Amino acid sequence: QVQLVESGGHLVKPGGSLRLSCAASGFNFGVYYMTWIRQAPGKGLEWISCISSSSATIYYAESVKGRFTISRDNAKNSLYLQMNSLRGEDTAVYYCANMVSARLGYYFDSWGQGTLVTVSS
Amino acid sequence: SYVLTQPPSVSVAPGQTAGITCGGNNIGSKTVHWYQQKPGQAPVLVVYGDSDRPSGIPERFSGSNSGNTASLTISSVEAGDEADYYCQVWDTGSDSGVFGTGTKVTVL
Repeated sequence: QVQLVESGGHLVKPGGSLRLSCAASGFNFGVYYMTWIRQAPGKGLEWISCISSSSATIYYAESVKGRFTISRDNAKNSLYLQMNSLRGEDTAVYYCANMVSARLGYYFDSWGQGTLVTVSS
Repeated sequence: SYVLTQPPSVSVAPGQTAGITCGGNNIGSKTVHWYQQKPGQAPVLVVYGDSDRPSGIPERFSGSNSGNTASLTISSVEAGDEADYYCQVWDTGSDSGVFGTGTKVTVL
């Protein structure tokens, strides 16, 4: 079955950097758009970035544009999120998910369990 | 950016029907998806494409979308349905995913 496992989250100081990984298995990773979604403690879900199957198309939320970089390695069935210039408001659980095309856009079919990023001095 | 508004909470007795709304400007022209999130767990897709259910999701979960409001209906509510529920659309204007504010469903 589909499995997505995030890793790389931990405590980092403001202004610091972190790289998250998402290991995929159980489906044909290379043909799916993939996405990162985050959830601050006690708050709602926030979509932050996605990448097409070939990496040719990438989108970011305004809140992370210029600071975060999404990438993927289809040979390793892996998705990444490079996070730079981290701020306190980036503190959240970060989820990866695969995207499925629907009429007029996409939905997020399967999700990982998430990895916690804490930005604090 | 596109905004989706949900009521913060809905309370329902076991066996009754819970309705969760998701308001957005002309949301009926978009496709709405719904997720269930239980405490400490990742979200799970319960309705996609306005009204379709993924395999394994009970028929008790149904969705609709028209005008400025989309809705998720949970019939014959069970204690296990207690969770946060989020609506979601893809905003083609900004090429971004948009989530609703979330609704906490409490089973009395």
